[in-house]
Parts: sequence; structure tokens; C-alpha cells
Amino acid sequence: DAGVTQSPTHLIKTRGQHVTLRCSPISGHKSVSWYQQVLGQGPQFIFQYYEKEERGRGNFPDRFSARQFPNYSSELNVNALLLGDSALYLCASSLSATGTYEQYFGPGTRLTVT
Amino acid sequence: GDSVTQMEGPVTLSEEAFLTINCTYTATGYPSLFWYVQYPGEGLQLLLKATKADDKGSNKGFEATYRKETTSFHLEKGSVQVSDSAVYFCALDRGTSYDKVIFGPGTSLSVIP
Repeated sequence: DAGVTQSPTHLIKTRGQHVTLRCSPISGHKSVSWYQQVLGQGPQFIFQYYEKEERGRGNFPDRFSARQFPNYSSELNVNALLLGDSALYLCASSLSATGTYEQYFGPGTRLTVT
Repeated sequence: GDSVTQMEGPVTLSEEAFLTINCTYTATGYPSLFWYVQYPGEGLQLLLKATKADDKGSNKGFEATYRKETTSFHLEKGSVQVSDSAVYFCALDRGTSYDKVIFGPGTSLSVIP
């Protein structure tokens, strides 16, 4: 079975631009979470979606938004990009919204803002 | 708020040496605890987990025991290999209504032949 997939793999954007990152969860998984991993640090929680509804939001500005589609895939959008948004963006899927179920991470999208 | 603290790296060991990476946490309630591993250029992989006090998680020769009295979850391996070179993250999940995993800063391990 395919794991969590993310696209694109790498992305270079200029300050002020907008970016959309995509994630496809493991088949049957209804929960998708997004994390930002700045170089040399641990991942930081951005959003969690379950059954197309936002269930959790981390301490990120309103420039960050996300949504989940009927097929449970998800998009992360970032507006007005800043240099500090350069990071590895990780998507994770799980069967449910509670901590009982293991999260499976995708390989990430490396975003560079110049 | 909840947090995870790990020993600072980088850690460099010779092949077949004993490994310990310390991890302590602060959390309300009874979180589940995890160790994740990130190989160069890859995403995170779950290495092992423990869901309640005194549980021992183990996988691929790695072990960690959930110690509630010391709020610790130290990672150990008796004999490391070059292929174990990676960044290791300790993490917790309070199991609330959403899947929010809190990660430590990571500890980089290099194993030399």
C-alpha cells in the first residue's frame, strides 16, 4: 500500500508570494495533520483536520490556512511568504482524530523562500 | 504548556557502542510517548512508543521505558551500527480530541566504523 504522499518535493518561492502544498493520506485514513520543521529543530504542529473539519490549530499566523477534501486529501496554503517560512513541511495521516492511532508521516515538501 | 526536552547533540559513537539519548517531558494527564527517527533527506518514521507508565517500547534493538515518576523516556540501544546514523526525536501525544504531537528538538547521532 502507498504511504502518505506529498507534492511537490521541493519548491522555491519569493517573499510575498503564495504557496500551496498537497498531501494524500494513506487509504482509509481520515485525519491529516500538518507540521513545519525548520532546519535543526523538531516539527511544530500547524493544523489537524478530521472528516474535512479543522480539529486543531497550532501557534501560526493567519497567513497559514488549510483544507481537507472529500477524498481526505489536504492542502496547506501560505500567503505573503516570509524568509522565515523556509522549512520542511510534513504531512501526517492517521485513522482517527484521537491519540490512540499512530500517525504516519510523508517525506515532506522542502520550501525555500528567497 | 506541554513540552519535551532532549539531550543536545550531536552524538558521535563508534560502531557497537552503547547508546543512550535522554528525554524528559512536561505534560498534564497521561500522554503517550514516542521516539521518531529521521534519516537524511527523509520524513519521520515511528521507531517505538509507549502508552502508559512502565510500558517498554522496543523496535530494531532500540528500547525506551515510560517512567512517570521521573517524567522520562530515555532511548537506548546496546550496540549501534553505522546505519543507525540519523536524527532522533522524542515526542508526546496527550491523546486529546485532535492528533497534536509535540516533538523535542531532536538529537543527531553519527556512528563511525
